[in-house]
Amino acid sequence: DAGVIQSPRHEVTEMGQEVTLRCKPISGHDYLFWYRQTMMRGLELLIYFNNNVPIDDSGMPEDRFSAKMPNASFSTLKIQPSEPRDSAVYFCASSFRDNYGYTFGSGTRLTVV
Amino acid sequence: GENVEQHPSTLSVQEGDSAVIKCTYSDSASNYFPWYKQELGKRPQLIIDIRSNVGEKKDQRIAVTLNKTAKHFSLHITETQPEDSAVYFCASLSGGGADGLTFGKGTHLIIQP
Repeated sequence: DAGVIQSPRHEVTEMGQEVTLRCKPISGHDYLFWYRQTMMRGLELLIYFNNNVPIDDSGMPEDRFSAKMPNASFSTLKIQPSEPRDSAVYFCASSFRDNYGYTFGSGTRLTVV
Repeated sequence: GENVEQHPSTLSVQEGDSAVIKCTYSDSASNYFPWYKQELGKRPQLIIDIRSNVGEKKDQRIAVTLNKTAKHFSLHITETQPEDSAVYFCASLSGGGADGLTFGKGTHLIIQP
């Protein structure tokens, strides 16, 4: 298995633009998580899915953020409109059950200028 | 929700010495405690984990201990090597499992040659 695959690896965009981050979890994993990492706040859980259904989105900063999981092999995190304070590394992770170790993707480094 | 405190934020040890990183958690129902290693620019990777029904677990030079009464757990690395230099994160899964993993802020471990 190729692991959790995220794209793009780097994204630079202008304030106000829409940004879409993509994730392909490990086949057979039924949990998918989106985390944001910054120096100030560390790793923050934004939202997670179980069997493609969003379970907890209380970590999503505001209405500008949305996430979908249309099938077991694909998820997106969208920011519209983007702001400079959204600059961070966004990680997707998947796991088999919620109480097993998560496997993280390589992350997307987002810079909003 | 769960709160995880991690200390120290930076730890510098001589090569060959031992390193200890400590974490405390707030939810007494938490039952799963993984540790992740993140090298610069890379993804967090699971290195060891422990469940609440076990007090200690060891894997070669790495060990984790759990004190449920005091609600703290620790990572022990013996015979440290240059490749151990990285940021280490502890995490906790609250008993309900509904919140996903909560991560500590990380410890930057520096191995001095």
